[in-house]
Parts: sequence; C-alpha cells; structure tokens
Amino acid sequence: SQQGEEDPQALSIQEGENATMNCSYKTSINNLQWYRQNSGRGLVHLILIRSNEREKHSGRLRVTLDTSKKSSSLLITASRAADTASYFCATDSDDTNAGKSTFGDGTTLTVKP
Amino acid sequence: EAGVVQSPRYKIIEKKQPVAFWCNPISGHNTLYWYLQNLGQGPELLIRYENEEAVDDSQLPKDRFSAERLKGVDSTLKIQPAELGDSAVYLCASSFGQGRTGELFFGEGSRLTVL
Repeated sequence: SQQGEEDPQALSIQEGENATMNCSYKTSINNLQWYRQNSGRGLVHLILIRSNEREKHSGRLRVTLDTSKKSSSLLITASRAADTASYFCATDSDDTNAGKSTFGDGTTLTVKP
Repeated sequence: EAGVVQSPRYKIIEKKQPVAFWCNPISGHNTLYWYLQNLGQGPELLIRYENEEAVDDSQLPKDRFSAERLKGVDSTLKIQPAELGDSAVYLCASSFGQGRTGELFFGEGSRLTVL
C-alpha cells in the first residue's frame, strides 16, 4: 500500500505560473522527498526535507513540511514547459528502515507554452 | 559519473515465458532496490539489498519472482513464469550509506509487456 497521496492527481497551468502540489502521509516519518519523472524515464530526486525542518528551497522549488498535519507541499515557481512531468513524494518511515522510501501515486503536471 | 544502468529497456514476451532484468548501480553504492511501477502509479518496492544481502523482500512475490546480487554490485531480477499482470516498468535504484541520505538514484527502467 502507498504511504503518500499526492493531490491533485493532475494539474495543468500556463508557462510562468506557479504550480503547487500536495502530499499527505499516514505514519511518522524520518524524512520526505520529492522526485520528478519525465514520461518514459526514471525518477530524478529533487529535494529532501527532514522531519525537524519546516521549509526548504532549491532554485525554483520550495518544499514545506507540516508533521502535525502529516502533509507536505511542493511549489514550483515561474513554471516552464520543461517542468512538464509527474511528481512523486516519498517518505522514509523511520530511521531503522532508512532508504525504504514509500512513494505516492504522483501528480501529473502539464505546463503549456 | 555513470548513472544506474538497466537492461533491457523494453521486453515483450508471451505469458508463461521467463524474463530477466539486469541492473548495474552507481559505483560505490552499496544499497540497491528493485521497484515495480504500474501505469499511472508510483513505484512499489519489491526488494532492497545492502551489499549482497536482501534486507527487505517482503513485497517480492516469491512464487514467480527471484532476485540476486551475488557480488554486491550488479543485480538480476527474474520472473518465471510471467503473467499478464506482470506488465509494468521495473525500476532499479541505488543509494549510498544504506539510504540514510534519503536520495535514491534511479535507472531508466525496463518496460515489460506480457501478451
């Protein structure tokens, strides 16, 4: 069974707009990661946020984590057509099983030129 | 630096036939994972290796699936016999330090179609 659930399932925006996608999970975590997957390709790691962090930035990406609500959000600012992909959150449930990342079903983002 | 290499990229077989997938992780990564990804879904862990030891194979359907990582480097995932429902993408990933950095490096995947 999947730990994380992304919302929305699909998102379509215009180039230059911001894209926000959310992830909810069920159990306590050690860290949460976001990955991108272009069609027909493997997953690429974007950013990791630890359970004691609340916000993290990387370029045009901003990730927040609210452990009280068991949720995270990924914001992509000033989106580009090249950002079109599926985005997955993955959680590591506890430190003894670190590396056993459990993925959600993803948000499919389409950025129209 | 070379990434995670998987082969074949595509495989079409008839049901009841065997199939094998190969993965070569990033050099120095002692943790290797096999994931299954169905269309429109996220990856699901099949098996995780720490060096040559399978430390988590609870999700591997052992009646038809097997995996090995004999020398703690490259790995092979086998299905015998394949069923229609096995059509999916099989992803290999690797990480350094038992995954404690959290970052997994994925290969491009092997897409299996069972007819």
